[in-house]
Formats: sequence, C-alpha cells, structure tokens
Amino acid sequence: AQSVTQLDSQVPVFEEAPVELRCNYSSSVSVYLFWYVQYPNQGLQLLLKYLSGSTLVESINGFEAEFNKSQTSFHLRKPSVHISDTAEYFCAVTGVNAGNMLTFGGGTRLMVKP
Amino acid sequence: EPEVTQTPSHQVTQMGQEVILRCVPISNHLYFYWYRQILGQKVEFLVSFYNNEISEKSEIFDDQFSVERPDGSNFTLKIRSTKLEDSAMYFCATKGGRTEAFFGQGTRLTVV
Repeated sequence: AQSVTQLDSQVPVFEEAPVELRCNYSSSVSVYLFWYVQYPNQGLQLLLKYLSGSTLVESINGFEAEFNKSQTSFHLRKPSVHISDTAEYFCAVTGVNAGNMLTFGGGTRLMVKP
Repeated sequence: EPEVTQTPSHQVTQMGQEVILRCVPISNHLYFYWYRQILGQKVEFLVSFYNNEISEKSEIFDDQFSVERPDGSNFTLKIRSTKLEDSAMYFCATKGGRTEAFFGQGTRLTVV
C-alpha cells in the first residue's frame, strides 16, 4: 500500500515569484510518481511524471519535479508563476505493476496573486 | 489526442434513486478505474477493472456500487440507491499499461 502527503493545503504566492509544492510518499514497493493539475470546475490533467531514468522531470509549461528516493519526496517547483497557474495540484503515486491504481495526496491549492 | 469521455457532466438525483455514470475509455486501453472527489477533499480510489472483472476495490466501493463494461466500449459505474454522502465528482480513468492514467472531465453527482 502507498500513501501520499502534501503538507501544504494552500500556497499563496505573487505572480512571477518562485513556488515549491511539497509531496512526500511512502511505499513498500517501487513506485511511479505523478503530478496532476485541476483547474476550477475541470478534470485532472497530467502535469508531469517520473517513471525511471533522470530524477528531474519537466513539464511543457515550466514546472519541474525531482524524485528523491532517500527523502521519499517528489516536490514540484516553478521558478516564476503566472496567474494562469492558479489551480489545485495533486501528487499521486502508483506501484510499477501495470494495473496498479493511483493514490493521491490531499492536494495543494496554488493561488497566484497579481 | 485521444481522450476519456464521461457522461453526463452533471447529474442531480433524488436520494434512494439509482444512477449510472458512463465512461468511454481510450480505445486501446486495458485498465479502467473510477475515482471520486467529494467537494474540497482528496481524490479517492473506488475500483479498478481489467479483463472484464474487478481487480481491486476500496472500502468505499460497497454493495451499493457496481461496474461493468456491457458492450465492450462503455465503462459504467452504477450506484443502486444513492445517499446524500454520495454527492461528489466521479472521475473515470483509463490506462494502457505501465503508463500514466488518463482522466475524464468527471461527472458531478448531486444527491438531494
């Protein structure tokens, strides 16, 4: 079984400031890690994923996350946020077997202020 | 880009009524899931489905819930007798293998 902890339920930040959304997980097996974003009144969209290889993964809109196995973390970062980044961000983990389901963290609401 | 389609987008139902939520998976995907998100809370796993049978289910998925893929395309979630606490956003997700899950836009179920 896995669990995911997102320590910050809300993160207010000013536009163009850097941001880090924290995610820690626990698992007794090897895992894949994901960040999903949910814009208001919309579904879940994959932001980025770690499956294997380089521990630093990037999205097309400037977010990055680093898998740290020793810290069991997968924190999400962006050096300069935009108003349009305002959304709920969910960290999720799954076991590496094909059919394993996702376990989500509680979510972090990123609120970007002008 | 292929996508997971869910219908309806919003369903309002009376307590005690049956509801069926529908999902059209991405065509070559083999693994199907239902998740729910009560307003303001985390996304919770309900059930996974593979090879025409349930492969895993959570404690939430009790006897009031059932899933099936009746015609080889639609993947449905049925709630037999809805309760107020079933009000939530229900997400269908599908997966092709050892990859990420693709989510539909969700069905907002409101039980009154």
